Amino acid sequence: DQQVKQNSPSLSVQEGRISILNCDYTNSMFDYFLWYKKYPAEGPTFLISISSIKDKNEDGRFTVFLNKSAKHLSLHIVPSQPGDSAVYFCAASGAFGGATNKLIFGTGTLLAVQP
Amino acid sequence: SAVISQKPSRDICQRGTSLTIQCQVDSQVTMMFWYRQQPGQSLTLIATANQGSEATYESGFVIDKFPISRPNLTFSTLTVSNMSPEDSSIYLCSVEDPDRAAYNEQFFGPGTRLTVL
Repeated sequence: DQQVKQNSPSLSVQEGRISILNCDYTNSMFDYFLWYKKYPAEGPTFLISISSIKDKNEDGRFTVFLNKSAKHLSLHIVPSQPGDSAVYFCAASGAFGGATNKLIFGTGTLLAVQP
Repeated sequence: SAVISQKPSRDICQRGTSLTIQCQVDSQVTMMFWYRQQPGQSLTLIATANQGSEATYESGFVIDKFPISRPNLTFSTLTVSNMSPEDSSIYLCSVEDPDRAAYNEQFFGPGTRLTVL
């Protein structure tokens, strides 16, 4: 059962335009959502996050939107740059009754920003 | 942010053998995590390793197959035992950002790419 889903395996965008990456989840107990970026041969790096009590968080060119009723979040990158080309993972966090919060990841979306 | 290194960065192994992956952090951390990313799949948590106690394994992962050591606050190892081609994956260790532990923001190592023939 995939609790965090990224239905688009890839996305291609022109430089300067907006990139929108989507993520859906099924578990209403998640209390925190995160986006990670991964370049080939490197580990994922944290990008931006949002608490379940908020609907928007912005950090420079990156904005994450959360729609709890739809169990959907999205990452907007404006303007997109060629250096943004990477795999983007959505992740959700929750304690699930244990002492440790766990991160559950989506399958990732490969973003290609064309010059 | 924590700097995490892993050894080896990649390896090709024969089935039936075992490989131990090392994870070194440049600061003391309470919790370390081990993940697996199979080809085309998401990152899946294998276990959580606390210093001084046995690792806590996620459903589908067992200690006999993935023994973990955590001898101190900066180091951990994951062994992939009696390997089969299905174990071919990227294995990653991570640590919590101590300033953001409540949000479970983690720093990841570069990963170990394992191919089992």
